[in-house]
Amino acid sequence: GAVVSQHPSWVICKSGTSVKIECRSLDFQATTMFWYRQFPKQSLMLMATSNEGSKATYEQGVEKDKFLINHASLTLSTLTVTSAHPEDSSFYICSARAQGKAFFGQGTRLTVV
Amino acid sequence: QQPVQSPQAVILREGEDAVINCSSSKALYSVHWYRQKHGEAPVFLMILLKGGEQKGHEKISASFNEKKQQSSLYLTASQLSYSGTYFCGTEWGNTPLVFGKGTRLSVIA
Repeated sequence: GAVVSQHPSWVICKSGTSVKIECRSLDFQATTMFWYRQFPKQSLMLMATSNEGSKATYEQGVEKDKFLINHASLTLSTLTVTSAHPEDSSFYICSARAQGKAFFGQGTRLTVV
Repeated sequence: QQPVQSPQAVILREGEDAVINCSSSKALYSVHWYRQKHGEAPVFLMILLKGGEQKGHEKISASFNEKKQQSSLYLTASQLSYSGTYFCGTEWGNTPLVFGKGTRLSVIA
């Protein structure tokens, strides 16, 4: 199957700082990638669709100025959580489609203290 | 529109069977099934595209009804390794996957 790599696996940051999460498709090109957020014991909720070379599409209720998405190449999308607050602490997962299936990165556990 | 999954949780003894359901109020393009272990990313199990389709791998199988509004995941002779949260992901064409709330499966010895 296709491989999606996400980095870092976990990060702890102070309130008010920014954190960047990278998502790479290792063996295929992905013009579209998806960013999900998952709170403990809850489902994966789609945050935004990242489009290579154009603006991301955000789901209702997701602040685009807070969650900056950049998809500068066919194999890399980044999510930057700006001015992080404790309520942003969550498990962030990226996904890309290949052969009709969705493949997920390993996820990034963000803890804001 | 989030699909409805049931049950929310189930506890099985090794060797028992389970069925997890996923339903939508409108016809779907496809249904994807994933299993997630605690603290890990979801892992793909299978995808169903056609109404009336059934498929499986070893002791895990799934079906998609004719109207393409309901899918069921069947876990036969469950093993300890089957424990985790199962999600169905649905789509209506070239759209991102939307996941159900998940079914927490615990298999005990």
